[in-house]
Amino acid sequence: SQTIHQWPATLVQPVGSPLSLECTVEGTSNPNLYWYRQAAGRGLQLLFYSVGIGQISSEVPQNLSASRPQDRQFILSSKKLLLSDSGFYLCAWDQGYSSNQPQHFGDGTRLSIL
Amino acid sequence: GENVEQHPSTLSVQEGDSAVIKCTYSDSASNYFPWYKQELGKGPQLIIDIRSNVGEKKDQRIAVTLNKTAKHFSLHITETQPEDSAVYFCAASRRGSARQLTFGSGTQLTVLP
Repeated sequence: SQTIHQWPATLVQPVGSPLSLECTVEGTSNPNLYWYRQAAGRGLQLLFYSVGIGQISSEVPQNLSASRPQDRQFILSSKKLLLSDSGFYLCAWDQGYSSNQPQHFGDGTRLSIL
Repeated sequence: GENVEQHPSTLSVQEGDSAVIKCTYSDSASNYFPWYKQELGKGPQLIIDIRSNVGEKKDQRIAVTLNKTAKHFSLHITETQPEDSAVYFCAASRRGSARQLTFGSGTQLTVLP
């Protein structure tokens, strides 16, 4: 069966520090991969998605970037964190639109910026 | 782009009663509508989804209805139980190479014993 892993589960970082969050999917190949951010008490906002290695689409302009160095690995990064980057970051995957398979989420990373 | 509105933001029901959460969407090209349940500190879990070629779908105590003309869809939970307490999100997406979901703002459902 397919599983998705995100780490770390929680992270506290000072303003201006770099960031690297990692997401990996197991048990499938060629997945679509997604990064979402969830502000406290709010819905999920799509940040980036990827349909293949090295292919990244950004949904909103921001202080963050994403990379997909391997088929089942998705990384969210920042060179200098802002206070506004605090939030709950969720990675998700699906098998692509044509498969009619739903999107599945990891358990997220709680990021606090001090 | 797509805009999804969800109501109510909070909902309290007595155990055994039914709960209904409603969402509207703006993009008539949207054709896929999932519902997710999110428990505290966890990622959202898919509970049911519906595609635009279907008007209603049911899975045990959970059902979803879709009105394409009015551009709204609803989640119905019958015989609610305390373990149904969570935040529920609706979402919508359109045809494309990737499924870019637009989420509603969530409903905090509390089932009172």
